[in-house]
Amino acid sequence: GESVGLHLPTLSVQEGDNSIINCAYSNSASDYFIWYKQESGKGPQFIIDIRSNMDKRQGQRVTVLLNKTVKHLSLQIAATQPGDSAVYFCAETRLNTGFQKLVFGTGTRLLVSP
Amino acid sequence: KAGVTQTPRYLIKTRGQQVTLSCSPISGHRSVSWYQQTPGQGLQFLFEYFSETQRNKGNFPGRFSGRQFSNSRSEMNVSTLELGDSALYLCASSQGQSYGYTFGSGTRLTVV
Repeated sequence: GESVGLHLPTLSVQEGDNSIINCAYSNSASDYFIWYKQESGKGPQFIIDIRSNMDKRQGQRVTVLLNKTVKHLSLQIAATQPGDSAVYFCAETRLNTGFQKLVFGTGTRLLVSP
Repeated sequence: KAGVTQTPRYLIKTRGQQVTLSCSPISGHRSVSWYQQTPGQGLQFLFEYFSETQRNKGNFPGRFSGRQFSNSRSEMNVSTLELGDSALYLCASSQGQSYGYTFGSGTRLTVV
């Protein structure tokens, strides 16, 4: 199928905590995954991506983990800040198909309180 | 470097009318994709264009159409608008699949 789902619709954390946002995907043929952040009134903003030949990738304060065995993605945000408050989407796609199409998860709202 | 530009930002249309939305991709990006975002359905793929050719289309009725020009700018058109077409329409551009996708801020369409 083409469903990408999220376990938690809303995640509330305290400033300074680490946040973990989870995502399950169903298409085992997907080989490229992207996390996006969407703030109110804006389009999705690229955070980090990972290919299926990797199981972990780190960016600035963010880490993406990929578990292909259980088709699970997670986004870890270290030292969460109020500016991290937004809706986070995972998206999957297949490379080398001759076209580009992202399948998005339903989104998780991250609320960071000071 | 300018980002993806979508115009207009907001639109209010009446049921039955048609609408055209515009997207200017990042310079050098030849792939342009369109997505519809609604609270109920989330982000849904509409179609993707590359070098003026539609390469893929999502599961939307024929009232939704698009095109891409030689300068990679793209437009999408929705005819015979329905209330359910009210949504945020997002455009994304890319250099290629493995380079990620950059989204514009979207056009908020309200059908009354």
